[in-house]
Amino acid sequence: DAGVTQSPTHLIKTRGQHVTLRCSPISGHKSVSWYQQVLGQGPQFIFQYYEKEERGRGNFPDRFSARQFPNYSSELNVNALLLGDSALYLCASSVGLIGSGANVLTFGAGSRLTVL
Amino acid sequence: GENVEQHPSTLSVQEGDSAVIKCTYSDSASNYFPWYKQELGKGPQLIIDIRSNVGEKKDQRIAVTLNKTAKHFSLHITETQPEDSAVYFCAASRAAMEYGNKLVFGAGTILRVKS
Repeated sequence: DAGVTQSPTHLIKTRGQHVTLRCSPISGHKSVSWYQQVLGQGPQFIFQYYEKEERGRGNFPDRFSARQFPNYSSELNVNALLLGDSALYLCASSVGLIGSGANVLTFGAGSRLTVL
Repeated sequence: GENVEQHPSTLSVQEGDSAVIKCTYSDSASNYFPWYKQELGKGPQLIIDIRSNVGEKKDQRIAVTLNKTAKHFSLHITETQPEDSAVYFCAASRAAMEYGNKLVFGAGTILRVKS
């Protein structure tokens, strides 16, 4: 089975531009979460979507937005890019709510964004 | 707000020795504690997790212990091998519908196993 797939794997943008990152969850997983990992730090929660509805939002500005499509894939959008947005953006999927039974969060390899 | 502290930040051990990584969490309502291993160029990979109704869990060379009173949990790796070298992250979560799937991660521990 394919794992969580993310695209693109690497991209370079300049300040003020907009970026869209894409994620396909594991087949059968209905929840997608997005995390930002700055170099040398642990991942930070940005959003969670479950059954196409936003179920959680981290402490990120409104420049960050996301959505989930009927096939459960997801997009993360970041507007007006800042240098500080340079990071590895991780997508994770789960069947539903983590911590219940065997329901765990599985991460993709990430999209590395560099803002110049 | 919620916070997870992780120690040490780097850990070097000889092959065959044990490694212990410790985490402390601040949110007393946390009830799910996963550990992830991240290798260079890859996303975090779940290696073991524990829920608040269990004090200890073991999977081959890896074990996790949880002390809810002290809000501490630890990862123990025995008989370390060079392929255990990676960055390890602890995380904590309130696994409840109203909180979503938010994991709060520690800052990570770079484990180096010397052969």
